[in-house]
Amino acid sequence: NAGVTQTPKFQVLKTGQSMTLQCAQDMNHEYMSWYRQDPGMGLRLIHYSVGAGITDQGEVPNGYNVSRSTTEDFPLRLLSAAPSQTSVYFCASSPQGASTDTQYFGPGTRLTVL
Amino acid sequence: AQKVTQAQTEISVVEKEDVTLDCVYETRDTTYYLFWYKQPPSGELVFLIRRNSFDEQNEISGRYSWNFQKSTSSFNFTITASQVVDSAVYFCALTKDTGRRALTFGSGTRLQVQP
Repeated sequence: NAGVTQTPKFQVLKTGQSMTLQCAQDMNHEYMSWYRQDPGMGLRLIHYSVGAGITDQGEVPNGYNVSRSTTEDFPLRLLSAAPSQTSVYFCASSPQGASTDTQYFGPGTRLTVL
Repeated sequence: AQKVTQAQTEISVVEKEDVTLDCVYETRDTTYYLFWYKQPPSGELVFLIRRNSFDEQNEISGRYSWNFQKSTSSFNFTITASQVVDSAVYFCALTKDTGRRALTFGSGTRLQVQP
């Protein structure tokens, strides 16, 4: 198993550009989520999904869209990038069977918005 | 609302010293889960331990041990005989027992182990 994979690893955008951060997992996990990590603030939940076709907002959803058309993939879209979205983005997944089972994180995407 | 506080921003120790990382949490839920994650300089997040609110037994895994005390809402992490490879940022996190599984993270403690 590759686990949770994220692409790209690094990305530089200009203000107003759009892009999609990719996240995929091959563990057949139903639960997937996106977090952002800012210096001195730990990680904060952006969006999450409890299964294909179901998504919901987390703590800091503004400026981001998600969709979940398959169990494996959970892309995060930035519609119009802003400097405030400069951050490291982590995708995580966990199985649905046991409640609050451990979430496994991808390697992260470092995004800079100029 | 849930909250996790890691008051120690940065700790520096010399190799072979013992070090304890503090974690204090706030929650109104009776059922909840606590986690520790390690983030080495390479940047990935590595799961270390999960503990549920009904299990206050301390846990030991090699040089790592965890002390969970509901009376003080703390879930502290001790590294015995620290090594340079332990240098990382350590995060404590909390989630309640729902399908949402949103992790509330502390701000992290950066541990520097000097040779």
